[in-house]
Amino acid sequence: DAKTTQPNSMESNEEEPVHLPCNHSTISGTDYIHWYRQLPSQGPEYVIHGLTSNVNNRMASLAIAEDRKSSTLILHRATLRDAAVYYCILHYNFGNEKLTFGTGTRLTIIP
Amino acid sequence: EAEVAQSPRYKITEKSQAVAFWCDPISGHATLYWYRQILGQGPELLVQFQDESVVDDSQLPKDRFSAERLKGVDSTLKIQPAELGDSAMYLCASSSPASGTSGERDRETQYFGPGTRLLVL
Repeated sequence: DAKTTQPNSMESNEEEPVHLPCNHSTISGTDYIHWYRQLPSQGPEYVIHGLTSNVNNRMASLAIAEDRKSSTLILHRATLRDAAVYYCILHYNFGNEKLTFGTGTRLTIIP
Repeated sequence: EAEVAQSPRYKITEKSQAVAFWCDPISGHATLYWYRQILGQGPELLVQFQDESVVDDSQLPKDRFSAERLKGVDSTLKIQPAELGDSAMYLCASSSPASGTSGERDRETQYFGPGTRLLVL
């Protein structure tokens, strides 16, 4: 499986934007870039995914580099409830394959 | 909003005892996954079902772990005998609504339950 590299931890002030980076230099043409997050004492939850174009939804935005070797998850206005571990995962989007999680980025929000 | 249900939420057992975890996926989801998450790490797949059939159990320690999904709906994961190293969070997830009913957002999205935290003493 192609691997991703994320910083172990990041901090951000409440109500400010947060940019969470992810490197995936060995991404294949069929890999989608998925982001999940895991709040304390909960199971992971889906955040967003994309293939080539930037994506927006009510939770976040995903900016994908033109060469697809990196991406950035953007939380536009972080709240205390966004404190979680964020996982960047490469996933073939057909066939219900397993998700391969790394260790993710632990995001701390400072009030 | 429909959710994946798991029970129990917490389980404490002694080594060599048997434990069982239950998962009820979102209605209509054909694919069910059991993941194990060791503290400080990301979840790792133990077993994946498509309906009642196992499609991937390559990482399941089959000498002590078993999983079943007899009617293709809910599922049970069993450990017998439990060992100290089995202490972890056990997560169930489901995906794939019935074909033709989901949009782009739902396709391939995995929905996770709250997990069962196991402590083996």
